[in-house]
Amino acid sequence: SAVISQKPSRDICQRGTSLTIQCQVDSQVTMMFWYRQQPGQSLTLIATANQGSEATYESGFVIDKFPISRPNLTFSTLTVSNMSPEDSSIYLCSVELGQGDTEAFFGQGTRLTVV
Amino acid sequence: DAKTTQPNSMESNEEEPVHLPCNHSTISGTDYIHWYRQLPSQGPEYVIHGLTSNVNNRMASLAIAEDRKSSTLILHRATLRDAAVYYCILSPRSYNTDKLIFGTGTRLQVFP
Repeated sequence: SAVISQKPSRDICQRGTSLTIQCQVDSQVTMMFWYRQQPGQSLTLIATANQGSEATYESGFVIDKFPISRPNLTFSTLTVSNMSPEDSSIYLCSVELGQGDTEAFFGQGTRLTVV
Repeated sequence: DAKTTQPNSMESNEEEPVHLPCNHSTISGTDYIHWYRQLPSQGPEYVIHGLTSNVNNRMASLAIAEDRKSSTLILHRATLRDAAVYYCILSPRSYNTDKLIFGTGTRLQVFP
């Protein structure tokens, strides 16, 4: 299994600023992912965080808006840049142990409110 | 990515069995069927997954149709803690493409 710690758990930010969310895992993992969950909605995959290379973004998400770092096998950050109220969401980190047919683990999420 | 269709909501009484259906008529031969649930104010948690055969674990059972175009998650005795949004997800589950694409899910309400 894997235990994921996300920081901060919540924040209220001014529009136009940026927030960096951290995801720390208690074991080395191959795959790390970032999701967004808008109010009352399902989860939308933002990107796959690749260790040692640029993240792979899903359609509709770009690196300039959501830069991601993955310096090692246990840590990743997601930055929400130049925020607007539309960015108010829960952002979740997810990991998989890279063993193929296994389960994914999710952090508790970061609840972001942009005012 | 293959699509799944689930009812928006379902209701159950406590200690009764719950059958949550999922249609996935475009499933491919390499797709696993995964179920996750999201309790209020928490991240999703794994429930169960399978490929062709029915599966049982301590949380639930997964019944997969013979043609694999539908499946049913079975909670044998619902508790209040089982109130959550349940997501049925298809994933090829290969080493390099393990991302999960969430649909809208089924919101399960459990009444005492």
